[in-house]
Amino acid sequence: DGGITQSPKYLFRKEGQNVTLSCEQNLNHDAMYWYRQDPGQGLRLIYYSQIVNDFQKGDIAEGYSVSREKKESFPLTVTSAQKNPTAFYLCASSARHSTDTQYFGPGTRLTVL
Amino acid sequence: AQSVAQPEDQVNVAEGNPLTVKCTYSVSGNPYLFWYVQYPNRGLQFLLKYITGDNLVKGSYGFEAEFNKSQTSFHLKKPSALVSDSALYFCAVRDMQTGANNLFFGTGTRLTVIP
Repeated sequence: DGGITQSPKYLFRKEGQNVTLSCEQNLNHDAMYWYRQDPGQGLRLIYYSQIVNDFQKGDIAEGYSVSREKKESFPLTVTSAQKNPTAFYLCASSARHSTDTQYFGPGTRLTVL
Repeated sequence: AQSVAQPEDQVNVAEGNPLTVKCTYSVSGNPYLFWYVQYPNRGLQFLLKYITGDNLVKGSYGFEAEFNKSQTSFHLKKPSALVSDSALYFCAVRDMQTGANNLFFGTGTRLTVIP
């Protein structure tokens, strides 16, 4: 898990509420990513950011939003528009070169009550 | 389109025996391939990657992987399995189309090493 922290580890949300998941890295990486993990489906990309103040939608961005105001931080908001938000959320970071490795945080498990 | 497939959802192996976790890929151009391991309720840990060069890549914890261009495969191997190797393993390929460092992941293979 290295220099990437995610909080909280467990999060419970009532339907209709927005929640924000925190991701911080001290690896001086330019790029950061958010993935969603569901059983049997591997990891799917939600959003990514290659540089501060810029981010792009991934494969499943609907119902999510992000910001990248600081290099070390990439928070993810799960909005009420996300119809099935219960999942394990993983944040990752990497340098910008195409051969560089992505390193992952420990994850946040979100459960909708 | 780029993709990666892990044809086995579950692999069981006896402790001390060699293990193989299979991965095949489909990309346009030269592939950048990765293996990660995930323990329960944890993030992914990087094991190894193939970028170029020697087809046999050595990684962490005694794991290695063999890149085979003709078979478009990148199978993960270990000569002697440990019970502690029991985990979920993911193969991934770099997205070479968007210019970003995004990864496409397989659906994962659960490895169980039987004592």
